[in-house]
Formats: sequence, structure tokens, C-alpha cells
Amino acid sequence: DGGITQSPKYLFRKEGQNVTLSCEQNLNHDAMYWYRQDPGQGLRLIYYSQIVNDFQKGDIAEGYSVSREKKESFPLTVTSAQKNPTAFYLCASSPRQGIHEQYFGPGTRLTVT
Amino acid sequence: AQKITQTQPGMFVQEKEAVTLDCTYDTSDPSYGLFWYKQPSSGEMIFLIYQGSYDQQNATEGRYSLNFQKARKSANLVISASQLGDSAMYFCAIFNQAGTALIFGKGTTLSVSS
Repeated sequence: DGGITQSPKYLFRKEGQNVTLSCEQNLNHDAMYWYRQDPGQGLRLIYYSQIVNDFQKGDIAEGYSVSREKKESFPLTVTSAQKNPTAFYLCASSPRQGIHEQYFGPGTRLTVT
Repeated sequence: AQKITQTQPGMFVQEKEAVTLDCTYDTSDPSYGLFWYKQPSSGEMIFLIYQGSYDQQNATEGRYSLNFQKARKSANLVISASQLGDSAMYFCAIFNQAGTALIFGKGTTLSVSS
């Protein structure tokens, strides 16, 4: 079955630690995205990538980093510089840049204490 | 810049009734796409329906239809014959001007009772 996987579903970390969230897709999509969702809010864009080895900052990129070494993988690192990292993180992909439906993974709920 | 406004934080409906979830948008781009997603309590985002700005007809997908009023910049989602499984958060979204990512509204929580 084609789709997007994110692991783990729940992640707990101590303040000051970097943590990497995994996102893998087997849909052969060019574009991938990371969004953050806070309680009672919509999604906000962190980073996106339209092609391997290239990525762009979204609206709230501070304190986050990404890589896109393979088409199917787009990991997100939440660094210790991110002031409020506790949130729900969603990864998405779409066939290519432009106005296309985005397919979402199941999300990772990160709690930092 | 693009913006989505969803003014109904919560809606309540009984099974088999129809419900309309409101969405207004702001954009200066003549070409844009509007999306509705459903987010159940599990957290995944499920694509429901899409409307292109140049589409002449309102989009329809099964029990979902989009009431697109371009002059009013409104793209309301209509769910006919509500089911208990429709209870979820619903988000309206528009592509940003660069066409690189979606901009979401704050969502509407729909509760369906028997």
C-alpha cells in the first residue's frame, strides 16, 4: 500500500535535547512538507522540499532543520533552539510543486518537558 | 497574502441531517485552489474535496459538496446525511501565492449525535 509513514506516534524528550522525527513516503512524490499543529489551531508550515537536495523555510522554521537526501525521506530535527517544541507534527507529500492535493502521514505527537 | 477564516469553532448536528461548515478566504491571486480536510481524533488529515478557482461547477465527492461563491470569497462545505463517523475537526485550506504549500484555517469541530 502506498502512503506516508511517520514514526514514532508519540515522542517524549527532555528540554535541551535535539530530536529527529521521521517521515517516509512511497508515493513517488517530488514535494514533501512539514507542518506543526498546536491545540485548537490549524496547521502551520515549517519546511518544504520540492526536489531532492533542496528545501525551503516555511512560516515557522526557526529552531527546526531538515534534510532531503532521498526522494522518499524528509526527516525533521527539532533543535534545542525551538522555544515551544511540544506540538503535533504532520508530514505531507504531493506529486509535484503547484496546486495539488497533499497526502498526510499519521503525525507525531512530541512532548518536551 | 492568502488567509482562511473559519468562524464556527463548533457545530452540532443529529444523524442524517445536513450540515454546512463555513469558510471564507482572502487572496489577490486569480488562480487558486481550495481544499477541505477532515481530522478525526486520531490526528491524521484526510482529504475530502477540492475546488479550483476556475471551476465552473461546485465540487462534489459523495456526501460532500462545496458551495463555492467566488464573488463572496466563500467555500462552504456541505455534508449531507451526517453520520456518527463524521464527528471530527474540519479544516479549510488554500494554496499560498507561490503555490508551494497550504494555508489552513483554525478549523471547525463537528459533533454528530444519534
